[in-house]
Amino acid sequence: EVQLVESGGGLVQPGGSLRLSCVASGFTFNSYWMSWVRQAPGKGLEWLANIDQDATEKYYADSVKGRFTISRDNAKNSLYLEMGRLRAEDTAVYYCARDMVSTIVVVPFDKWGQGTLVSVSS
Amino acid sequence: EIVMTQSPATLSVSPGSRATLSCRASHSVGSNLAWYQQKPGQAPRLLIYDASTRATGIPARFSGSGSGTEFTLTISSLQSEDFAVYYCQQYNNWPPYTFGQGTKLEI
Repeated sequence: EVQLVESGGGLVQPGGSLRLSCVASGFTFNSYWMSWVRQAPGKGLEWLANIDQDATEKYYADSVKGRFTISRDNAKNSLYLEMGRLRAEDTAVYYCARDMVSTIVVVPFDKWGQGTLVSVSS
Repeated sequence: EIVMTQSPATLSVSPGSRATLSCRASHSVGSNLAWYQQKPGQAPRLLIYDASTRATGIPARFSGSGSGTEFTLTISSLQSEDFAVYYCQQYNNWPPYTFGQGTKLEI
């Protein structure tokens, strides 16, 4: 069974930093791109970033570019999101999601974690 | 960036009836359109991809149609577990992947 389990959320002050983790199981992690998606309270879904299988390609939404860094450790089947210069508007549930195998055939997110809540407040 | 617009924002329907949800893209996305269902406190679940293909385990009462800029999700004979928020997403032009703002299906 495919599982994605996020952790690392919590309360952080504006301007602070936080590192989220996502541990994958039940599939060949190093065969897939992976993404982070967030959802502010009562709001819709916002894609944040994705990373290819060997971490050579990374893409970011404009809203987080320069503040957030996506990375992965295939030996640990883990995906990470390093978040810096956090703002109140970054308050959201953060999901990791399984992305495509190849950019030749782009597919939607077929597996999601349960999410981890990040609250940015003083 | 491709903007996805869903309508209506809220749809009130009765169990057993049919629901039709719409999604419009600001530019053509071909058939690279997905629909997700999200229930309170849960992660989104993929329902439909490539505009009209049901994901694994999705009941046949869910169907998708459309291409280019206009898409529809139809749920025939609504069940109680279908009341949720539905999002469309384009994956034709990325980054960024973009989602619609959601349609809440309520009784």
